[in-house]
Amino acid sequence: AQSVTQLGSHVSVSEGALVLLRCNYSSSVPPYLFWYVQYPNQGLQLLLKYTTGATLVKGINGFEAEFKKSETSFHLTKPSAHMSDAAEYFCAVSDYNRDDKIIFGKGTRLHILP
Amino acid sequence: NAGVTQTPKFRVLKTGQSMTLLCAQDMNHEYMYWYRQDPGMGLRLIHYSVGEGTTAKGEVPDGYNVSRLKKQNFLLGLESAAPSQTSVYFCASSYAMNTEAFFGQGTRLTVV
Repeated sequence: AQSVTQLGSHVSVSEGALVLLRCNYSSSVPPYLFWYVQYPNQGLQLLLKYTTGATLVKGINGFEAEFKKSETSFHLTKPSAHMSDAAEYFCAVSDYNRDDKIIFGKGTRLHILP
Repeated sequence: NAGVTQTPKFRVLKTGQSMTLLCAQDMNHEYMYWYRQDPGMGLRLIHYSVGEGTTAKGEVPDGYNVSRLKKQNFLLGLESAAPSQTSVYFCASSYAMNTEAFFGQGTRLTVV
């Protein structure tokens, strides 16, 4: 069974600094991996996803993530944080079986310091 | 394009009361889900459906029932609300279980 671990329930970075949100997964088969973002009082929306192919995935709002099979990781990065990036971020995993459920991590709240 | 619409957006219930949350999607998705979100717990799957007329239990199904009489609608019922069911509830839909899920705006439920 798959599982997801997000390191750090809260992360604070200064505006303009690098954003790094960590996600490790466990899966017995090649995974599908997702990052979702949730702004205050809203539902989740997809930032980016990895299914197959290129391991560096680019998403919306300047975010990207790299699938590293050897490290079972899918960390989310953005070179320069903006105040509008303050939100909660969820990593999620499923496998290639179309009837397998997506499992979400517990989330990381990103705070941007002026 | 409405996507996934949840009603109501807010509700306060007294312990023991019942209610139904409605989720509607206009993307012709087969798969629909109900999650609850609690601080520090992330998203937990309550029930899901893989098509019209089908339902299945998720991670935390106790105290909830669901129905999928029409493909576009997925209803979540609380027969006898308890304070432990105070939460934010999200509905989502997707083309397949392992593809991108589209979420509604959420329903904030308080049980007093």
